[in-house]
Amino acid sequence: AQSVAQPEDQVNVAEGNPLTVKCTYSVSGNPYLFWYVQYPNRGLQFLLKYITGDNLVKGSYGFEAEFNKSQTSFHLKKPSALVSDSALYFCAVRDIGSGNTGKLIFGQGTTLQVKP
Amino acid sequence: KAGVTQTPRYLIKTRGQQVTLSCSPISGHRSVSWYQQTPGQGLQFLFEYFSETQRNKGNFPGRFSGRQFSNSRSEMNVSTLELGDSALYLCASSAETANTEAFFGQGTRLTVV
Repeated sequence: AQSVAQPEDQVNVAEGNPLTVKCTYSVSGNPYLFWYVQYPNRGLQFLLKYITGDNLVKGSYGFEAEFNKSQTSFHLKKPSALVSDSALYFCAVRDIGSGNTGKLIFGQGTTLQVKP
Repeated sequence: KAGVTQTPRYLIKTRGQQVTLSCSPISGHRSVSWYQQTPGQGLQFLFEYFSETQRNKGNFPGRFSGRQFSNSRSEMNVSTLELGDSALYLCASSAETANTEAFFGQGTRLTVV
């Protein structure tokens, strides 16, 4: 069964410092990986995805993620954090078993707190 | 392009009642998925519809059901509401291929009292 894990419930960083939000996955076959962000009482906003190709993926709002097949990880990064980056972040993998394309399996989420 | 629209945004229902939530996907998207988000369980997949057919179903009781119309709009229904059904219900639409991202609506906050 496919799964995603986000080992940290919360990550605290100072504004201007680099940030990393961790994600590991377990899939059979090639992974289709995604990062989403959620602000309070809102839906999820797409940040970036890895399907194939370069291991470093660039996304919205200055975020990027590094795909590491040997470590089965897909960590979200940003070189310089902003207070406005404070939100709940979800890593997800597309469940492509049996040809189904819609279902996403989410990690439990990581709260990012950026302090001024 | 208009985003995913969910209505209503907020609902308060009494235990035992039923509720219907609506989702209008992005134009051209034929896949609509529903998720339940709670503090304790996180984001859990309810079901996915594609071209009016349920293509996948999560591990929820039969009280949770859905449908999709020919214009791809989708509804989900929860019958005999329980307190534990209080959650944020999110709808997502995506294009046909697996390598495309899903776009989410703002969600419907359901409170069962």
